[in-house]
Amino acid sequence: KNEVEQSPQNLTAQEGEFITINCSYSVGISALHWLQQHPGGGIVSLFMLSSGKKKHGRLIATINIQEKHSSLHITASHPRDSAVYICGAGGTSYGKLTFGQGTILTVHP
Amino acid sequence: EAQVTQNPRYLITVTGKKLTVTCSQNMNHEYMSWYRQDPGLGLRQIYYSMNVEATDKGDVPEGYKVSRKEKRNFPLILESPSPNQTSLYFCASSQTGKLAPLHFGNGTRLTVT
Repeated sequence: KNEVEQSPQNLTAQEGEFITINCSYSVGISALHWLQQHPGGGIVSLFMLSSGKKKHGRLIATINIQEKHSSLHITASHPRDSAVYICGAGGTSYGKLTFGQGTILTVHP
Repeated sequence: EAQVTQNPRYLITVTGKKLTVTCSQNMNHEYMSWYRQDPGLGLRQIYYSMNVEATDKGDVPEGYKVSRKEKRNFPLILESPSPNQTSLYFCASSQTGKLAPLHFGNGTRLTVT
């Protein structure tokens, strides 16, 4: 069974700060997901990656397959980035997904 | 509009009374899956389906059933709900065969008394 660990569990930042959320997994994967969930809201897919790096606006996701580690970076953070960020690892059979417990991010103005 | 539709959004029921939570997608996605989300435990996969008539267990399948008779629908069935199945449930879908993002439904908050 794949174990997925996220850190930190809680993160508080001031507007404009650079933010990093880390995700480690224990076994080989087919893909790594990053999700965003706003308070009381639904879940949105931010990234899905199997190697290298992806960028969308102020968000950047990287993955190191050898180290079984992924990071989500937010540049120039804004209060609207306040949400729970969830990392998920897709097994080599693709269908099975295991998620971390999530990182609660609060960005103050 | 491309979407994953779950119904109902809220459901309160009693122990042992069979219920079904429906999930439907209009994007012709092959892959569909169910998750439950609990405080401190995060999202956990219940079942997934790679295509019609192809379902498989996730990490927490006990007490749940699913079926995939049509591509667009993937209902979650609780034959005899118990209080420990009180949770927030999400359905999701995606294409397969490439790095396709998951599309989530809005969630179903289930309370079993």
